[in-house]
Amino acid sequence: NAGVMQNPRHLVRRRGQEARLRCSPMKGHSHVYWYRQLPEEGLKFMVYLQKENIIDESGMPKERFSAEFPKEGPSILRIQQVVRGDSAAYFCASSRRGTGAYEQYFGPGTRLTVT
Amino acid sequence: GIQVEQSPPDLILQEGANSTLRCNFSDSVNNLQWFHQNPWGQLINLFYIPSGTKQNGRLSATTVATERYSLLYISSSQTTDSGVYFCAVLTQGGSEKLVFGKGTKLTVNP
Repeated sequence: NAGVMQNPRHLVRRRGQEARLRCSPMKGHSHVYWYRQLPEEGLKFMVYLQKENIIDESGMPKERFSAEFPKEGPSILRIQQVVRGDSAAYFCASSRRGTGAYEQYFGPGTRLTVT
Repeated sequence: GIQVEQSPPDLILQEGANSTLRCNFSDSVNNLQWFHQNPWGQLINLFYIPSGTKQNGRLSATTVATERYSLLYISSSQTTDSGVYFCAVLTQGGSEKLVFGKGTKLTVNP
């Protein structure tokens, strides 16, 4: 029974390029969350999605960042025109249902380095 | 928004010692989770414990929701327990975002 899968595990991009981070939730989970951990900081919520819907994007930077969770396939976090300040670990989590009553399980993270 | 404070920020132990990590939160919560971030950066789910007490091997956790705190106990610590321990909460009222504390960095020396 696979846990939350994220790929790639490590991603290096030059300034101005695009970064695409993928997340496959645990089997039976239909809720996906993205969190970011900047160097020497705690984890911060970015966005919460269900299939084909963005439910809460209050933690997403207003520009260059977008997320989707299509009907088929993994959730994608997309960062356009990356800058050095985007270097961080990006974690995806999934849960069986929302409403706060269900445990969120985390993937291994994608470590983005912008050069 | 809700505030989550963890203490101590740093803890150094000798192998075999016991420790208690604390998490205080400023509002009522629907969900409280403890995580271990190992030296390789992976987040490991330890406990889902909005209230009550749970045990898993050498680890146990207690949440007293009415007094807005949770405790994580580590007994007979091992070097593999090293890393950062995070507490995270979901507030009541429909929010789905976990709010994390800043963590306790634990170092267990052989």
